[in-house]
Amino acid sequence: DTAVSQTPKYLVTQMGNDKSIKCEQNLGHDTMYWYKQDSKKFLKIMFSYNNKELIINETVPNRFSPKSPDKAHLNLHINSLELGDSAVYFCASSQDSPGGQRSPYGYTFGSGTRLTVV
Amino acid sequence: GENVEQHPSTLSVQEGDSAVIKCTYSDSASNYFPWYKQELGKGPQLIIDIRSNVGEKKDQRIAVTLNKTAKHFSLHITETQPEDSAVYFCAASRRGVLTGGGNKLTFGTGTQLKVEL
Repeated sequence: DTAVSQTPKYLVTQMGNDKSIKCEQNLGHDTMYWYKQDSKKFLKIMFSYNNKELIINETVPNRFSPKSPDKAHLNLHINSLELGDSAVYFCASSQDSPGGQRSPYGYTFGSGTRLTVV
Repeated sequence: GENVEQHPSTLSVQEGDSAVIKCTYSDSASNYFPWYKQELGKGPQLIIDIRSNVGEKKDQRIAVTLNKTAKHFSLHITETQPEDSAVYFCAASRRGVLTGGGNKLTFGTGTQLKVEL
């Protein structure tokens, strides 16, 4: 019954490889996000989609490409991985219009994907 | 864009004592201020939030206060317990504003709270 699920939980890969992280939410939320958490625990937004439409695209290298096939899914594909991409990547969802979960504006986060580039 | 500062970065208290974490924000248009708790190996979990039309909100042992004029908000945890040990994040956003990234949550830098027996 996981609300926001990400796969894989751990990902170890070599520099230069291409990898994908998948995210699915079963909360009926209309907005999904990708956040990056670095080694100092700082959480920074990367992308946001509302009803499959990209609405936030922070200063992220174009090696990172999000894809939202429907409003319940938001995947992240990373090309030509670099050492500096090592971090924990969190998917989250929220309901941007009234209604929904306990707090209409709260984010629900997944449990994270720890990416290690060697 | 919004900038959120959070203090202290680490906080150690004795079980049963109170803990206070403070945040300031820069964007006067921000109207939504949630607090998240992140336990080791898990994603951040919403524990309490407050909107700009309210000055204080309480939920059992946790409370949040907001001073819009000074642009700062605080988390108060009373009667701390060992299970309160975690990293706590404050955040701010302009909820209800989809355009221009208004629904984007900007996080503080986190506070590692340790509750000692």
